[in-house]
Amino acid sequence: AQSVTQLGSHVSVSEGALVLLRCNYSSSVPPYLFWYVQYPNQGLQLLLKYTSAATLVKGINGFEAEFKKSETSFHLTKPSAHMSDAAEYFCAVSRNSGGSNYKLTFGKGTLLTVNP
Amino acid sequence: DTAVSQTPKYLVTQMGNDKSIKCEQNLGHDTMYWYKQDSKKFLKIMFSYNNKELIINETVPNRFSPKSPDKAHLNLHINSLELGDSAVYFCASSQGSGAHQETQYFGPGTRLLVL
Repeated sequence: AQSVTQLGSHVSVSEGALVLLRCNYSSSVPPYLFWYVQYPNQGLQLLLKYTSAATLVKGINGFEAEFKKSETSFHLTKPSAHMSDAAEYFCAVSRNSGGSNYKLTFGKGTLLTVNP
Repeated sequence: DTAVSQTPKYLVTQMGNDKSIKCEQNLGHDTMYWYKQDSKKFLKIMFSYNNKELIINETVPNRFSPKSPDKAHLNLHINSLELGDSAVYFCASSQGSGAHQETQYFGPGTRLLVL
C-alpha cells in the first residue's frame, strides 16, 4: 500500500536559515506526491506536486522538492526561511481507492517554527 | 470570492445531538471531499463525491451521512454525536473525477467540539 512518512514532527529554524522537511514514501508503482501547507486555523493549501514530469519541482513561496527514486524521498526545501513560513506541512501520496478513484493519504505533518 | 466555504466555522454541542456541516465550492469542480483532522493534526479522508455520486466511502460510522444535492455542495450530517467526533472537519474539491494528480482545494474547516 502506498504511504508517506514524515521524519520529525517539529522542525525549528532561524529566520534566513535553510528549511528542510523530510518525506519518504513507500510505493510499488510511480507515486504522485504532494506537499500541502496549513497555516494556523486555516485549511490546507497546495505547495507543489510531483507527477513524474520533472524530478525537481518548484512550488509557491520559494519552496521546492526533489523526487529521488533511489532514496524513495520527496523532501521539501527552501533556501531562506521567513517568519511567515511558520505552519504545519503535510506530505501526501495519491493512492488508488478502487477503479479509477484515487484518494490522498497524508503523513502526520511537520510543524515548522521560525525563530527571529 | 471564497473558493471553498464551510458553515459553521465553529460548532459546540452536547453528546447525542444531531448536527450538520455545509460545504459549497464556486470553482466549478466535479469532485468534493470530506476529511477529518484529529487533535494530533492527522488528516484522513471520509467521503468523496463526483457529480453527486459517492465514489469514496472510508470506514466511517453510519452516524455520518454525506449528501450532495448538486456538484457544488456537499453536506455532512452527523447523528448521535460522540465525544470522539470532536475534530476539525475539512471540505475540499478538485476539478476532475478525483484522478491521482489532481490538486485539492480545501475549505477553512469546521471545528466541532462535543461536550
